[in-house]
Amino acid sequence: KQEVTQIPAALSVPEGENLVLNCSFTDSAIYNLQWFRQDPGKGLTSLLLIQSSQREQTSGRLNASLDKSSGRSTLYIAASQPGDSATYLCAVRRGGANSKLTFGKGITLSVRP
Amino acid sequence: DTAVSQTPKYLVTQMGNDKSIKCEQNLGHDTMYWYKQDSKKFLKIMFSYNNKELIINETVPNRFSPKSPDKAHLNLHINSLELGDSAVYFCASSQDWGPAYEQYFGPGTRLTVT
Repeated sequence: KQEVTQIPAALSVPEGENLVLNCSFTDSAIYNLQWFRQDPGKGLTSLLLIQSSQREQTSGRLNASLDKSSGRSTLYIAASQPGDSATYLCAVRRGGANSKLTFGKGITLSVRP
Repeated sequence: DTAVSQTPKYLVTQMGNDKSIKCEQNLGHDTMYWYKQDSKKFLKIMFSYNNKELIINETVPNRFSPKSPDKAHLNLHINSLELGDSAVYFCASSQDWGPAYEQYFGPGTRLTVT
């Protein structure tokens, strides 16, 4: 059974800091991995999706890496801003017709002005 | 334009009542989902429909019944509500069924059962 872990549960950093959010998963047989952002009352927004054959994906100040063999992914946020404050969730999906997204609990990030 | 919308946003009701949550997507997607995020923050899939047919039905009590009148809508009806049903329910959609298709989520419906 796939388990996704995100530690720590919460993180507070000063504005401008570069930071790394970690995600680990127990079953390396994944099809892809996705990072989401959750804002209160606004649902989930997909940030980056990495296919199992890829090592990283970049979008603006965000960079996500994937090490499938070790069951790890990191989300790197450069030059953090107060607007980055949100909960960041990692989710993995196996291959196969009936595969499902398995989510971590998320990391609640607070960027202090 | 809202891609995936849910109504209501908040729902407060008493134990034993029956309630429905509606979901609509205007993305032209064939697949829709219902997820539950409980108090421990875990987000888990409940149901998935593809072209109005049930694809995934997780271990969910029979009190929960999804209905898909057309590909753009997937409603969730809950009978005899219990305290443990309090959670945030998210609707999502994807272009088609399978791991290659990215899912787009709605804003969530916070259900509180008193």
